[in-house]
Amino acid sequence: QTVVTQEPSFSVSPGGTVTLTCGLSSGSVSTNYYPSWYQQTPGQAPRTLIYNTNTHSSGVPDRFSGSILGNKAALTITGAQADDESDYYCVLYMGGGIWVFGGGTKLTVL
Amino acid sequence: EVQLVQSGAEVKKPGESLKISCKGSGNTFTKYWIGWVRQRPGKGLEWMGIVYPADSDTRYSPSFQGQVTISADKSISTAYLQWSSLKASDTAMYYCARRVSNGEYMDVWGKGTSVTVSS
Repeated sequence: QTVVTQEPSFSVSPGGTVTLTCGLSSGSVSTNYYPSWYQQTPGQAPRTLIYNTNTHSSGVPDRFSGSILGNKAALTITGAQADDESDYYCVLYMGGGIWVFGGGTKLTVL
Repeated sequence: EVQLVQSGAEVKKPGESLKISCKGSGNTFTKYWIGWVRQRPGKGLEWMGIVYPADSDTRYSPSFQGQVTISADKSISTAYLQWSSLKASDTAMYYCARRVSNGEYMDVWGKGTSVTVSS
């Protein structure tokens, strides 16, 4: 079974830069998996941030960016703000109408 | 603005059946696949499956195949997630989301339906 891996937690200072990653238990993440990223704050539905590796969803600030770094997908937050403190999930498309979520990264801004 | 409006919270007993819904606004509902995502308390998001309301084509995550049924009624722009016999482990928040095929992602999310299964 495919497992999508993410760092369980990360912390960043206000104004700092942080890169969260999204890997596969077996193999490399490429653009062929259409990596997308979602932000979720407690009690809220997920919010789409990045799709198709590096495309911003409507209204998402430019401080969020997506890329492929090595064999993983990555979400970089540049100039982190207090309200970026959230859970971040990556999702990879496996084909055939099947997606797999990563376990999520809890980001603390302090 | 397209919205997905989900049905209200449910409290059920083990063994009971349940069907929750996700209604789309606007007239483009049949042009998109609608997916379902589970989030157990304090846990991460899990992809369950997806339905194409135009023809009711359905795909399931292997983890959920046989555990739930996903369906849709295009005449009322509504997708459904149902259980025939609930278990305590089905206690979770369930989100529906619209799939965009060009980029393979979910762009619009419902607010979620809380399901609690307890004796």
